[in-house]
Amino acid sequence: KNQVEQSPQSLIILEGKNCTLQCNYTVSPFSNLRWYKQDTGRGPVSLTIMTFSENTKSNGRYTATLDADTKQSSLHITASQLSDSASYICVVRLGYNQGGKLIFGQGTELSVKP
Amino acid sequence: NAGVTQTPKFRVLKTGQSMTLLCAQDMNHEYMYWYRQDPGMGLRLIHYSVGEGTTAKGEVPDGYNVSRLKKQNFLLGLESAAPSQTSVYFCASKSLRNTIYFGEGSWLTVV
Repeated sequence: KNQVEQSPQSLIILEGKNCTLQCNYTVSPFSNLRWYKQDTGRGPVSLTIMTFSENTKSNGRYTATLDADTKQSSLHITASQLSDSASYICVVRLGYNQGGKLIFGQGTELSVKP
Repeated sequence: NAGVTQTPKFRVLKTGQSMTLLCAQDMNHEYMYWYRQDPGMGLRLIHYSVGEGTTAKGEVPDGYNVSRLKKQNFLLGLESAAPSQTSVYFCASKSLRNTIYFGEGSWLTVV
């Protein structure tokens, strides 16, 4: 079964600290992996998109990594800010021969405290 | 640039009532989607459209209907609302570069 599992479910960190969010997937065939940030009461916004051949991709203080062999991805946030408080969603896209369907993780709720 | 706009943002319905959620995008995207988001679960695809005049079922289509009469609009209808349809609904559209843009969400409560 195609699944995307994220951990931890929730995380509280102090402003200025770094953190890493995990995403494990059992999706096949794999097309790409995306990380989204969803602020409370808003729609998800894309942070990164990585294909099979990409190991890492950065977007400002956000760095995503992908290990296609172990089917794991991580999102590292550097020098966290209060505005980073949000839900972070890992999404894996199936190959086009499977309709290109998106499989969503349940999200990690990050809270950054002053 | 408005992106993806959903209306209404909030709605309370009684069981059995009908309503339509409207999604509009101004980016000339062919692909549009309706998702629902429930606590502790990832977004689930209800219906999608690959172009004007076309619609297709997603993974949780029961109880919903959609129409794509114009390229920029994708409507989601509930013919007879049920409490199980209490959820947050997100519309999205996809660019040619495969970037997906989400709307701000529509909070629906069925009592």
